[in-house]
Amino acid sequence: GENVEQHPSTLSVQEGDSAVIKCTYSDSASNYFPWYKQELGKRPQLIIDIRSNVGEKKDQRIAVTLNKTAKHFSLHITETQPEDSAVYFCAAKKNTGFQKLVFGTGTRLLVSP
Amino acid sequence: DGGITQSPKYLFRKEGQNVTLSCEQNLNHDAMYWYRQDPGQGLRLIYYSQIVNDFQKGDIAEGYSVSREKKESFPLTVTSAQKNPTAFYLCASTSTGSSYEQYFGPGTRLTVT
Repeated sequence: GENVEQHPSTLSVQEGDSAVIKCTYSDSASNYFPWYKQELGKRPQLIIDIRSNVGEKKDQRIAVTLNKTAKHFSLHITETQPEDSAVYFCAAKKNTGFQKLVFGTGTRLLVSP
Repeated sequence: DGGITQSPKYLFRKEGQNVTLSCEQNLNHDAMYWYRQDPGQGLRLIYYSQIVNDFQKGDIAEGYSVSREKKESFPLTVTSAQKNPTAFYLCASTSTGSSYEQYFGPGTRLTVT
C-alpha cells in the first residue's frame, strides 16, 4: 500500500523567512496530494492541494510543488508569520475507485517573531 | 464549524467502561472516517465507511467498534478492550464525487482514568 514520509518533524524559522516541508510517497499511481494545517487542539484544515496533472500550485504565500518522477512533493510558505505556527500534514491518495488518504507524520512549524 | 460535528468536546470515563463518540455530518458525504491522534503524533485511521451499512477496519481497529446506520452519522465506540484509549479522536468525511477534500470534525478529547 501507499506510504508517505514527511520531513522535517520540526522546523523553526524567524518571522519573514521561508519554510519548506517535504514529503515522499511510494505508490506511483497516487495522484492527489493535499496539505493540512492543524493548530493546537483544533481540527486539521486543508490549506492547499495538488493533482498530478500539474507541477505547481500557488495560493498567496503558500505553494505546493510536485515531482512525479521522484515521487515527492513539497509545501513552501513564504514571508512566514507567527500565525503560521502549527502542525502541517501532507497526504496522498489514488483516484481509482474508493481510496483512503494516507497521511505523513506531520511537521511542527514554529515561527518566532 | 459547520459541516461535521462531534460531541462531546471533552469526555472523561473510568477504565473498564465503554464510551461512544458521536459524529454527524450534513455535507451529504458518502464516506466517513475515524482517526486517533496522540500528543505530538500523526493521524492514525481507526475505521472508515464508504456507504451506509458498510465499514472497514483501518490501521488500529482493535478495541473499537463503529456503525453506519445513517448516511449522516458514524458513531465510534471505544470499548474496554482498548488498552490506551486516552487520545484526541477526529471524525472526517469526503464526497465520493469529483471533490477529494476531506473535512474534519472539531474532535473529541477522551480521557480514561
